Amino acid sequence: SQTIHQWPATLVQPVGSPLSLECTVEGTSNPNLYWYRQAAGRGLQLLFYSVGIGQISSEVPQNLSASRPQDRQFILSSKKLLLSDSGFYLCAWNGEAPYNEQFFGPGTRLTVL
Amino acid sequence: ILNVEQSPQSLHVQEGDSTNFTCSFPSSNFYALHWYRWETAKSPEALFVMTLNGDEKKKGRISATLNTKEGYSYLYIKGSQPEDSATYLCALKTSYDKVIFGPGTSLSVIP
Repeated sequence: SQTIHQWPATLVQPVGSPLSLECTVEGTSNPNLYWYRQAAGRGLQLLFYSVGIGQISSEVPQNLSASRPQDRQFILSSKKLLLSDSGFYLCAWNGEAPYNEQFFGPGTRLTVL
Repeated sequence: ILNVEQSPQSLHVQEGDSTNFTCSFPSSNFYALHWYRWETAKSPEALFVMTLNGDEKKKGRISATLNTKEGYSYLYIKGSQPEDSATYLCALKTSYDKVIFGPGTSLSVIP
């Protein structure tokens, strides 16, 4: 069965520091992968999605970037964190076509101080 | 810009009460509607995937209906229990492969 891992689980970082969040998927190949963020008091916002190695689509302009160096690895990064980057970050992959419900990782709680 | 809305934003009910909430979405470019339950300190988990107008799905005490022509889906919980407390998310999958989440309805069931 497929599983999805994220780390770290929680992170407290100062403003201006870099960020790297990692997501890996097991039990599937060539998955579509997604990064979502839930900011305090808000809904789930799609940040990036990837249909394959090196292929990244950005949904909203922001302070973050994503990379997919391997088939089952998806990384979310920032060079300099802002206070507004605080939130709960979820990685997800697509279920089977054609309806593609999302399967989520355990998430990372990021607090930028 | 496609927008998925959910109401109410939050809900407090007594144990044993039945409840329902709404997901509204644009009916153009509809492909599928997903419902998720998101419990505190856990990841969202898919409850239902609905695709056809008039679809009704059921899982235990939870059921959902879909109206693609008017662009809404209802989620019903019969005889709410404290373990039903969670945020319920709906998401629209469009015909051009985008998944757009609503803001969620936060349900608290008071024992």
